[in-house]
Amino acid sequence: EAGVTQFPSHSVIEKGQTVTLRCDPISGHDNLYWYRRVMGKEIKFLLHFVKESKQDESGMPNNRFLAERTGGTYSTLKVQPAELEDSGVYFCASSQEIGDDYNEQFFGPGTRLTVL
Amino acid sequence: SQQGEEDPQALSIQEGENATMNCSYKTSINNLQWYRQNSGRGLVHLILIRSNEREKHSGRLRVTLDTSKKSSSLLITASRAADTASYFCASTDSWGKLQFGAGTQVVVTP
Repeated sequence: EAGVTQFPSHSVIEKGQTVTLRCDPISGHDNLYWYRRVMGKEIKFLLHFVKESKQDESGMPNNRFLAERTGGTYSTLKVQPAELEDSGVYFCASSQEIGDDYNEQFFGPGTRLTVL
Repeated sequence: SQQGEEDPQALSIQEGENATMNCSYKTSINNLQWYRQNSGRGLVHLILIRSNEREKHSGRLRVTLDTSKKSSSLLITASRAADTASYFCASTDSWGKLQFGAGTQVVVTP
């Protein structure tokens, strides 16, 4: 079975441009998470979807970031307009269910975004 | 506040040696997980320890958790060159949101 996939693997854009990242979770996984790691910093949570609904978007840095998960399958994360500080690696993860205290998340390989 | 602060930031050892890294966190947790990231790849789940557990083993990995000190440690025994990677601890809330530390970069030389 395919794991979590992300597209593109790399993206280089200029400041002010728009970029859309895509994540395809493992089939059947209701939970989808976005995280990002900016250079030299820790991996930070961005948001969490349960099916098509946003459960928690407390980590979204500002309104230049828009995440969607129409139909509860794949998700997109759009950055518009991109700024230099948006550069980093964006990870997507999915999990099957929320247990009482166990929730293994399966991560994609990440999208490396460079804003020039 | 930052969860999962780790030390050391970097660790260089030889094959066969043990590698120990520590993680501290600030708030209450449901569980604590350790992940590995090889260069250019995604995060791979290594081991989870629940808040009511003190120690857990998985192959060459040993994890401890001290909730009174809000700290955890990961021990890799008999390290191999293939263990070269970044290791992250992450605390989990009830909705599964992971809060990561900055990670420890481990380099194992043959």
